[in-house]
Amino acid sequence: EVQLVESGGGLVQPGGSLRLSCAASGFTFSSYEMNWVRQAPGKGLEWVSYISRIGSTIYYADSVKGRFTVSRDNAKNSLYLQMNSLRAEDTAVYYCARDTGVDYWGQGTLVTVSS
Amino acid sequence: QSVLTQPPSASGTPGQRVTISCSGGSSNIGSNYVYWYQQLPGAAPRLLIYRSNQRPSGVPDRFSGSKSGTSASLAITGLRSEDEADYYCAAWDDSLSGFFFGTGTKVTVL
Repeated sequence: EVQLVESGGGLVQPGGSLRLSCAASGFTFSSYEMNWVRQAPGKGLEWVSYISRIGSTIYYADSVKGRFTVSRDNAKNSLYLQMNSLRAEDTAVYYCARDTGVDYWGQGTLVTVSS
Repeated sequence: QSVLTQPPSASGTPGQRVTISCSGGSSNIGSNYVYWYQQLPGAAPRLLIYRSNQRPSGVPDRFSGSKSGTSASLAITGLRSEDEADYYCAAWDDSLSGFFFGTGTKVTVL
């Protein structure tokens, strides 16, 4: 069974940093591209970042470019999102999602940016 | 403004057919696959349609997807109360180098 479990969310002040992790199981992690998708409270889905199977190709949404960094460790079956210079508008549930077409989603981790 | 536009709401009575549209452009829907997701209240999204018209295993055949030019549609036939949810289309955009979700459509079963 495919499982994606996010962790690392929490309350952080504006300008602060947070690192999200996603533990993958039930499939060959290194064979799949991965994404981060977020959803602000009461709002729609917003794609955040994409990383290829070996991390050689990475894309970001304009809203996070230069502040967020995606990475992966295929030996640990893990995906990461380093978030710096956080703003109030980054408050959202962050989902780890598998593959180009986003076929499996984790349950999400809530990031709240507030003073 | 979003790259992919959906109507904010749609509704129908049990057993009816409901269609949700997704309007995009030549660099997204016009040249890439479309995906559809269902999000029940308080839950993570679930993939309903991939590659514009394919259903993952476990998705009822009441759900179907189609694409024509720069637009796509999701049809729900035999509407059921458990179909009440938010629905999102999505596609990769070659010009913007990103994966974009539609604005979302809330389906209500009357």
